[in-house]
Amino acid sequence: DIQMTQSPSSLSASVGDRVTITCRASQGISSYLNWYQQKPGKAPKLLIYAASSLQSGVPSRFRGSGSGREFTLTISSVQSEDFATYYCQQSYSSPGTFGPGTRVDIK
Amino acid sequence: QVQIQQWGAGLLKPSETLSLTCAADGGSFVAYYWSWIRQSPVKGLEWIAEINDIGNTDYNPSLKSRVTISIDTSKKQFSLKLTSVTAADTAVYYCARGRNACTNGMCYFDYWGQGTLTTVSS
Repeated sequence: DIQMTQSPSSLSASVGDRVTITCRASQGISSYLNWYQQKPGKAPKLLIYAASSLQSGVPSRFRGSGSGREFTLTISSVQSEDFATYYCQQSYSSPGTFGPGTRVDIK
Repeated sequence: QVQIQQWGAGLLKPSETLSLTCAADGGSFVAYYWSWIRQSPVKGLEWIAEINDIGNTDYNPSLKSRVTISIDTSKKQFSLKLTSVTAADTAVYYCARGRNACTNGMCYFDYWGQGTLTTVSS
């Protein structure tokens, strides 16, 4: 199985800050990388697919980049509704595996 | 807008069989894959299995021996059975639209059920 890691595991930010989360795969996965946002008690929500494609309805302050083994999710100006846990997931080979998550909370 | 509702038993004893069902409403049911994913504090998010409208399936090898996924296209429903459960199977189980992985198109989970907490305890 391809192992996914994320850094940091948690971070604190103020509204308006720029937030960057990194996801690394144990082997190259081209651009087969998705990002999800999860709020407490809710199902994950798809934000970014294919490393950099914004899912319909997701605000443009979310941006994904990267290819190969290293990927980044950037929130250009974090809003109050963005405080949540973020997960990456590789869809290059089965079983599609998820990262452990990055919790973003209010400073 | 696709909406997915899920239901099933929330409390099981060790060795019993977990059984969950999802129903999709709105949008097309055919030509898509439908998946089960679980989440626990120990293992995080873990993809379990997927099926499409013509019955093609894929399973996570770690669970394959105990899992069966099935589909009823006439009802727009798909189901999961996990046999011989233990405490390690305690998790929130989600159903979702999408494939876990592919290289001939982009694969992701774009619509999710609300989740079902299943606890295994004697």
